Amino acid sequence: AQSVTQLDSQVPVFEEAPVELRCNYSSSVSVYLFWYVQYPNQGLQLLLKYLSGSTLVKGINGFEAEFNKSQTSFHLRKPSVHISDTAEYFCAVSVPPGGNEKLTFGTGTRLTIIP
Amino acid sequence: DVKVTQSSRYLVKRTGEKVFLECVQDMDHENMFWYRQDPGLGLRLIYFSYDVKMKEKGDIPEGYSVSREKKERFSLILESASTNQTSMYLCASSSPSGISTDTQYFGPGTRLTVL
Repeated sequence: AQSVTQLDSQVPVFEEAPVELRCNYSSSVSVYLFWYVQYPNQGLQLLLKYLSGSTLVKGINGFEAEFNKSQTSFHLRKPSVHISDTAEYFCAVSVPPGGNEKLTFGTGTRLTIIP
Repeated sequence: DVKVTQSSRYLVKRTGEKVFLECVQDMDHENMFWYRQDPGLGLRLIYFSYDVKMKEKGDIPEGYSVSREKKERFSLILESASTNQTSMYLCASSSPSGISTDTQYFGPGTRLTVL
């Protein structure tokens, strides 16, 4: 079985500062990795995904993540955050070919941007 | 535009009531999912369905059942609601992995309170 650990439940960051949200996974087989964002009072929206190929993945809203197989990590980064990035972020994993199917989510990281 | 809708944003029910949560998608997706979201626990899969009239248990199916009579609609049923089922419920849909490497699309959620 797969599992996902998001080490930080809350991350406060000043506006225009960089941010890194950490995600580690555990699996005995190859995985697909995802980051989702949930804005207040909304459902989840896909930020980016890693299926194969380049380990640096770029997503929407200026976010990117790097897949590190040796460290079993998929950390999310943004060089300069904005107030509008205030949201909860979820890391998720699935097993190929199930990229569209059963997802295992982490517990989420609440990102708060300080003006 | 991709759309997953859920019948209610907020719902208040009494202990012992039978509760129906409805989800409709307009993308002709084969796969549909019901998740429960709780603070500090992230999203946990309750049930999923790969096709009409087919269902499979997720990680926390106890106390829930589902129905999928039409491709676009997936219902979550609480046969006898209990206070520990107070939560946010999220529905999602996706195309089969063999057709697309896309991911799941989420509805806005139903916040259920059981008194």
